[in-house]
Amino acid sequence: QQQVKQSPQSLIVQKGGISIINCAYENTAFDYFPWYQQFPGKGPALLIAIRPDVSEKKEGRFTISFNKSAKQFSLHIMDSQPGDSATYFCAALKNYGGSQGNLIFGKGTKLSVKP
Amino acid sequence: GAVVSQHPSRVICKSGTSVKIECRSLDFQATTMFWYRQFPKQSLMLMATSNEGSKATYEQGVEKDKFLINHASLTLSTLTVTSAHPEDSSFYICSARSRDSGSYNEQFFGPGTRLTVL
Repeated sequence: QQQVKQSPQSLIVQKGGISIINCAYENTAFDYFPWYQQFPGKGPALLIAIRPDVSEKKEGRFTISFNKSAKQFSLHIMDSQPGDSATYFCAALKNYGGSQGNLIFGKGTKLSVKP
Repeated sequence: GAVVSQHPSRVICKSGTSVKIECRSLDFQATTMFWYRQFPKQSLMLMATSNEGSKATYEQGVEKDKFLINHASLTLSTLTVTSAHPEDSSFYICSARSRDSGSYNEQFFGPGTRLTVL
């Protein structure tokens, strides 16, 4: 049973456009939702994260929108640049702040930004 | 800050040999370290979770006798792939969870180790 569903699998966006990646989760016990960026041959790097007590978080060109009732969250990349081309993973964690809990990852979205 | 290193970055070995991969948290103490495996164009698959000084907890389907994990200190964990076979070829990534209350539960990932078994 896949606990975090991510879409689309791949995405092509023109430079300057908006990239949108969506994730849906099933377990209402999740209380921390990070997004990771991974370049080929590298480990994932935390991009931005949100807790369910807010509906939106913005950091530079990256915004997370969170809909608790729909159990969905999305990553928006504004003014997308070729350097943003990477694979993006959403994830979810329960028991944030506790000593237990493992990240549950989505399957990833390969973003290609065309110049 | 919050840097996690892995060594080696790449390793090629012959079938039947054992390979050790090190994961270090360079500027923080880690309560827990995680080992993941990633196949091409796929997501990260959690293999095991380890806490300093205690036995690792392996995910279902992961052979603990084949993938030996030692978490000797708050800054070092090692993964040893014993009697490696070509099907063990993969990208292995570790992550470490900080003890720092300001970033509690945030996981910092290493750069990964590409293992190729001939």
